[in-house]
Amino acid sequence: RKEVEQDPGPFNVPEGATVAFNCTYSNSASQSFFWYRQDCRKEPKLLMSVYSSGNEDGRFTAQLNRASQYISLLIRDSKLSDSATYLCVVPITGGGNKLTFGTGTQLKVEL
Amino acid sequence: SQTIHQWPATLVQPVGSPLSLECTVEGTSNPNLYWYRQAAGRGLQLLFYSVGIGQISSEVPQNLSASRPQDRQFILSSKKLLLSDSGFYLCAWSVTGSGAQYFGPGTRLLVL
Repeated sequence: RKEVEQDPGPFNVPEGATVAFNCTYSNSASQSFFWYRQDCRKEPKLLMSVYSSGNEDGRFTAQLNRASQYISLLIRDSKLSDSATYLCVVPITGGGNKLTFGTGTQLKVEL
Repeated sequence: SQTIHQWPATLVQPVGSPLSLECTVEGTSNPNLYWYRQAAGRGLQLLFYSVGIGQISSEVPQNLSASRPQDRQFILSSKKLLLSDSGFYLCAWSVTGSGAQYFGPGTRLLVL
């Protein structure tokens, strides 16, 4: 099993739709997780941290299921500006605060 | 607030030429520092990380090297570039003991 697995998409959704991405991870010892957003040809930017069962920030909700080792990101009322690649990120145990980045799920929000 | 700078933004270099990319962080002390490479259409690959001045850990064997001459300065170098070194190079920092990393704007390198 890969350290982090994501469906690459693309997910094409109309404006206003609700969309959800899932991510599975292999290291059961991981304690904290992250979702990053990466726009085309730009650096990844931290979207949300997930430290316990879940986290909500406006239209974005992240949930963690430790038993099944998956993390989800829910986006409600999608905006055109939400179009980007969403990276699921899992810490690597050991020193240095190293992270493993998924290859990302591409979202395209359309009129 | 903390900021992270990288330069240059873009670079076109011939095969066999040397490379030096610089990253500096402002507004924090003793950060963990990281170099990543992202090939076109691919995920992020961790190249090096550093937990302090002069302390460098290499994640993958390659013709690249890294140095940390000052607390908030991280340099990525190569003596002779290969075609396969082309990519998007990203520097990131994190607070010691904290998981989230914050990225600089990146350097897009094309080796011809």
